[in-house]
Amino acid sequence: DGGITQSPKYLFRKEGQNVTLSCEQNLNHDAMYWYRQDPGQGLRLIYYSQIVNDFQKGDIAEGYSVSREKKESFPLTVTSAQKNPTAFYLCASSRTGEGQFFGPGTRLTVL
Amino acid sequence: GQQLNQSPQSMFIQEGEDVSMNCTSSSIFNTWLWYKQDPGEGPVLLIALYKAGELTSNGRLTAQFGITRKDSFLNISASIPSDVGIYFCAGRRETSGSRLTFGEGTQLTVNP
Repeated sequence: DGGITQSPKYLFRKEGQNVTLSCEQNLNHDAMYWYRQDPGQGLRLIYYSQIVNDFQKGDIAEGYSVSREKKESFPLTVTSAQKNPTAFYLCASSRTGEGQFFGPGTRLTVL
Repeated sequence: GQQLNQSPQSMFIQEGEDVSMNCTSSSIFNTWLWYKQDPGEGPVLLIALYKAGELTSNGRLTAQFGITRKDSFLNISASIPSDVGIYFCAGRRETSGSRLTFGEGTQLTVNP
């Protein structure tokens, strides 16, 4: 089946540790995105990539890093510099100029 | 980034009623999208609109791209309990590449 997968669904980390969230798509989409969602709020863009080996900061990039070495994969690292990392993280992908399709999300809890 | 003004924030309706929600902006958009999100899941794309004035249906859902390109609405007819969830609008400006701007969402509750 074609789609976007995110793993794991739930992730727990101790404060001060870096953690990497996985996002994979087999839709042959050029563009991929990472969003953060806090309870009762909308989506805020962290990073996006329109092509392999290139990515741009979104609105809340501080404390996060990404890489785009393969078209199918766009992992997000939440670093210890992110002051409030507990949130629901959503990955999406799209063809250029078309609607974005979302993965199931990863809920990160920092203890 | 700029947020879209989405209203209402929440709606409580009886099963069978029709629902209408909208998004407005001071900026011009060349794409409008409507998503539904269930608790703990990723948003699902319901309808995509690419042309001013466009009216598109998907089952009981109908969405329109405003003629001024600054607004869009979503209607749900004959609501059912599984329509419960959060509905988000999203727009793409011509100058923003592939980036979307999202509304804050409309929480829909349907009473059986």
